[in-house]
Amino acid sequence: DSGVTQTPKHLITATGQRVTLRCSPRSGDLSVYWYQQSLDQGLQFLIQYYNGEERAKGNILERFSAQQFPDLHSELNLSSLELGDSALYFCASSGTSGGTGELFFGEGSRLTVL
Amino acid sequence: ILNVEQSPQSLHVQEGDSTNFTCSFPSSNFYALHWYRWETAKSPEALFVMTLNGDEKKKGRISATLNTKEGYSYLYIKGSQPEDSATYLCALTTGNQFYFGTGTSLTVIP
Repeated sequence: DSGVTQTPKHLITATGQRVTLRCSPRSGDLSVYWYQQSLDQGLQFLIQYYNGEERAKGNILERFSAQQFPDLHSELNLSSLELGDSALYFCASSGTSGGTGELFFGEGSRLTVL
Repeated sequence: ILNVEQSPQSLHVQEGDSTNFTCSFPSSNFYALHWYRWETAKSPEALFVMTLNGDEKKKGRISATLNTKEGYSYLYIKGSQPEDSATYLCALTTGNQFYFGTGTSLTVIP
C-alpha cells in the first residue's frame, strides 16, 4: 500500500460527459502528479501541483483541468469526453517538489468512454 | 519533451538467469534518474533514485548504475525469480517533470 488513494477505481461514461477523478496523497506529501496511460502507451505526464500551486504542466488537454486543495487532495476534471480519453489515470505523490524524491503511485482510475 | 528510451521492450528469461536492461536519456538538463517496478494490476513502485554520475544502487538481487555524461542507466537482476516478472520503468526528471520511458517487460519462466 503506497498510501496514495484514488477514487473511483473504475468509471464508465459516455462521450461528451464530464468526470472528476480524486486523489489523496500520502500523508505529509505536498506534491501531486497526474499521469495518463492509454492502451500501448507509456505514462504521459499531465500536471503537477505542489502545496496547492501548479508547478508543471505536461501534455494536458484544454478539456482537462486539475487543482489541489488546502487539505492537499487533488482532483482531475475531464470534460467533453471523447473515446480517446479512455485510459488509466494515475496520481502520484512525493515529499519534494523537485525530482529527487521517489513517486508513490495510487492504484489508478480506469476511465472508459463509450 | 525529453525522449527516454528503454531497451529491450520485452525480455523472457529462465529462472536463475541474470539479466540487465538499459535506459537511455539526453544527458543535458539531467537532475535525477528513477527506476520503478510495475507489476500487472498494481501501481508502479520505486526501486531507485539516482542523482550522481557513477551512482550505483542495490536492493537485494537488483542493482542499478548511472552514467550521466553518456546518458544511460543499467538495471541488473541477478538470479531472476518468477516474482521479478514485471515491467521496469525508468524516468528522467529535470526538476518538476518526470519523463518516463515505455518500460522493459520482464517475464521470468519457472
